[in-house]
Amino acid sequence: DSGVTQTPKHLITATGQRVTLRCSPRSGDLSVYWYQQSLDQGLQFLIQYYNGEERAKGNILERFSAQQFPDLHSELNLSSLELGDSALYFCASHTGEYGPGELFFGEGSRLTVL
Amino acid sequence: GQNIDQPTEMTATEGAIVQINCTYQTSGFNGLFWYQQHAGEAPTFLSYNVLDGLEEKGRFSSFLSRSKGYSYLLLKELQMKDSASYLCAVRDRGGGADGLTFGKGTHLIIQP
Repeated sequence: DSGVTQTPKHLITATGQRVTLRCSPRSGDLSVYWYQQSLDQGLQFLIQYYNGEERAKGNILERFSAQQFPDLHSELNLSSLELGDSALYFCASHTGEYGPGELFFGEGSRLTVL
Repeated sequence: GQNIDQPTEMTATEGAIVQINCTYQTSGFNGLFWYQQHAGEAPTFLSYNVLDGLEEKGRFSSFLSRSKGYSYLLLKELQMKDSASYLCAVRDRGGGADGLTFGKGTHLIIQP
């Protein structure tokens, strides 16, 4: 158990819909990262938050947005869903903003868009 | 930007040794990670190298050569539970999450 909690574990929805994925980082970790993993792709970095502020942005689509709340949990919002958005979405946390030390990953949210 | 290459799939026998290679090209370098990921599960941390040489941790060892842009993960006394994907990830000099790039992973199959 990494200490990172993600909900929901599984989500099935239709094209055009909007979903919200939630992540609670490990106790004491201030950084939250979101990754997307499709079947034929590696882990693709989407976005990072540190202590409530956006710190880095990767290949995140404009249809996607995220935020980190004062209690440090984070939400990833995916809208106008397309079939290609079907993937595993992982949240990871880290103690600091950046620097040495590994990322701790949650169990992921599997999104299926029909 | 960064480019990470590792074999797509490898097969090995229970009890044997296997070496998974990773080559990378990066504009800067601030550490290399190996993660293990079982199908449909979260990646879990295995090792971290920032200096050249070998880091040993039980049955798992990781080697780094910064001048060659090369790393390998060595798994000894293979067990069936080692069947998983092994992800190589490189952090660039900035150290931020946008500098942590993952390879596509090597799917390791352990046969009896």
